[in-house]
Amino acid sequence: DAGVTQSPTHLIKTRGQHVTLRCSPISGHKSVSWYQQVLGQGPQFIFQYYEKEERGRGNFPDRFSARQFPNYSSELNVNALLLGDSALYLCASSPGATGSGANVLTFGAGSRLTVL
Amino acid sequence: AQSVSQHNHHVILSEAASLELGCNYSYGGTVNLFWYVQYPGQHLQLLLKYFSGDPLVKGIKGFEAEFIKSKFSFNLRKPSVQWSDTAEYFCAVPLSSNTGKLIFGQGTTLQVKP
Repeated sequence: DAGVTQSPTHLIKTRGQHVTLRCSPISGHKSVSWYQQVLGQGPQFIFQYYEKEERGRGNFPDRFSARQFPNYSSELNVNALLLGDSALYLCASSPGATGSGANVLTFGAGSRLTVL
Repeated sequence: AQSVSQHNHHVILSEAASLELGCNYSYGGTVNLFWYVQYPGQHLQLLLKYFSGDPLVKGIKGFEAEFIKSKFSFNLRKPSVQWSDTAEYFCAVPLSSNTGKLIFGQGTTLQVKP
């Protein structure tokens, strides 16, 4: 069974550019969430989507946006990149957005973004 | 606001030594507690979780954790570590009950010397 898959695995951008990161959840999982992991820190919650609707947003600027598609895959977009956006971006999926099972997240390997 | 703190940022042990990593949380709702592990070059994976019941929970690879409600703690333990346990360990709690949004601690880097 395929786990959570993310693409691209690595990418380098320059300041001011934008980036799109993609995520496919585990088959049957309808909730997708995004986390940012800066080197030396724990993952920080960015967004959660369930059934194509945003269910939560962390403390990130409006330059960050996301969406979920009918097949439950998701995209994270970041505009006007800053040096501080350099991080590992993790996607996680869970069966739903409510109930104790919602908190059991399965993570992908991440997309490592370097902003120069 | 909910928060998680991990007291040990970098731990170095020799093989066969015992391990205990501290985790304290502040959370007023239904308590779900998690430990995740990130091995070098691998993705974040669930080590163990507590939802309810027996406060001593067992996870994969011989790890266990004890939920002590009065101390708001969920410390991770292993009686005898192996070199392959070298990894980064994260404690996590939900941002709010059963929503799939987690708050992670800063992480503890464990280095096991052979």
